[in-house]
Amino acid sequence: NAGVTQTPKFRVLKTGQSMTLLCAQDMNHEYMYWYRQDPGMGLRLIHYSVGEGTTAKGEVPDGYNVSRLKKQNFLLGLESAAPSQTSVYFCASSIDRNEAFFGQGTRLTVV
Amino acid sequence: GESVGLHLPTLSVQEGDNSIINCAYSNSASDYFIWYKQESGKGPQFIIDIRSNMDKRQGQRVTVLLNKTVKHLSLQIAATQPGDSAVYFCAERWTGGGNKLTFGTGTQLKVEL
Repeated sequence: NAGVTQTPKFRVLKTGQSMTLLCAQDMNHEYMYWYRQDPGMGLRLIHYSVGEGTTAKGEVPDGYNVSRLKKQNFLLGLESAAPSQTSVYFCASSIDRNEAFFGQGTRLTVV
Repeated sequence: GESVGLHLPTLSVQEGDNSIINCAYSNSASDYFIWYKQESGKGPQFIIDIRSNMDKRQGQRVTVLLNKTVKHLSLQIAATQPGDSAVYFCAERWTGGGNKLTFGTGTQLKVEL
């Protein structure tokens, strides 16, 4: 079992560029989440999904979009990257909403 | 608004000693409180959770205590080992608030040999 896999692991973007982060899970989990982690600020929820075809906003959704077309995949899009979006992004999935399984993270730098 | 905060950013303990990591929360409506561990370069990993109608729950070498009177949560690690060195996050979940997991800022635990 691979668990939760995030692609890519590292990326450098120029301001204004767009990109998509891919999260894939092989545990048949209903719930999937995207968090960002910044120094001294813990993990903040960007968007989440409670099932295939559904998405909802978290604490910091501005500047991001998501899609959950397939149960196993949750995509996070940045349409026009800004330096404030420099962060480490974590995807997670869960069947029990207290126990979330996290990916290894994507380190994104926007210059 | 909702917030989950930690008292100490860094905690240093000697190997073999017990560790206590504290957390304060503000949302008295939260239904669950959860502890996660994050090792360097990895994603957070679930440790233990406690329902809001409980005051204590034990796991393997870990105990979580919940004091709703003062809105305080703690994680106790017995016989701390070098492998326990990590950042520990408390989180809360409120079923009436969309079931989102809200994380605190984290405490760095350093185990000294």
